[in-house]
Amino acid sequence: AQSVSQHNHHVILSEAASLELGCNYSYGGTVNLFWYVQYPGQHLQLLLKYFSGDPLVKGIKGFEAEFIKSKFSFNLRKPSVQWSDTAEYFCAVSGGSYIPTFGRGTSLIVHP
Amino acid sequence: DTAVSQTPKYLVTQMGNDKSIKCEQNLGHDTMYWYKQDSKKFLKIMFSYNNKELIINETVPNRFSPKSPDKAHLNLHINSLELGDSAVYFCASSQVDRGQGTQYFGPGTRLLVL
Repeated sequence: AQSVSQHNHHVILSEAASLELGCNYSYGGTVNLFWYVQYPGQHLQLLLKYFSGDPLVKGIKGFEAEFIKSKFSFNLRKPSVQWSDTAEYFCAVSGGSYIPTFGRGTSLIVHP
Repeated sequence: DTAVSQTPKYLVTQMGNDKSIKCEQNLGHDTMYWYKQDSKKFLKIMFSYNNKELIINETVPNRFSPKSPDKAHLNLHINSLELGDSAVYFCASSQVDRGQGTQYFGPGTRLLVL
């Protein structure tokens, strides 16, 4: 069975600070990895995804994530956060069945 | 055009009532899902339908029943509502042979059971 662990449950940053959110997964086969974002009061939207190829993937709004197979990790990064990045961030993994498993989410608050 | 739509957006009801939430997707996807998000934002997958066949059913109470009249619709019927059913319910869809299960979410239905 696949599982996802997000270590940071709540992160509070000031604008222009750098961001890194941790995500580790457990799965024995080929994985597909995702980060979704949920802005306050809204639904989840895809931020970025990794299927294969370059392990450093770039998403929308300046976000990027790096797949490190040896560490079973897919951490999300942004060099300089903005107030509008305040949201809930979810890491997800899917395997051969393509049914995703989501992490518990990380709440990010960015102070202006 | 809305890709995944849900109705109603808000639902306030009394304990013991039966209610339904409707979901429609116009993306031509072959798989649809229902998720429950609790007050702590934890997202739990409840059901998945692929070409009108239930392919997963996480341990949800049998008071919850998904109904799919066609592959563009997956409705959620809830019998005998309980206080603990209060949550946000999200419908989603994906095309499993393209995008490796990338989920497209609806706007959510905020259910409050009194």
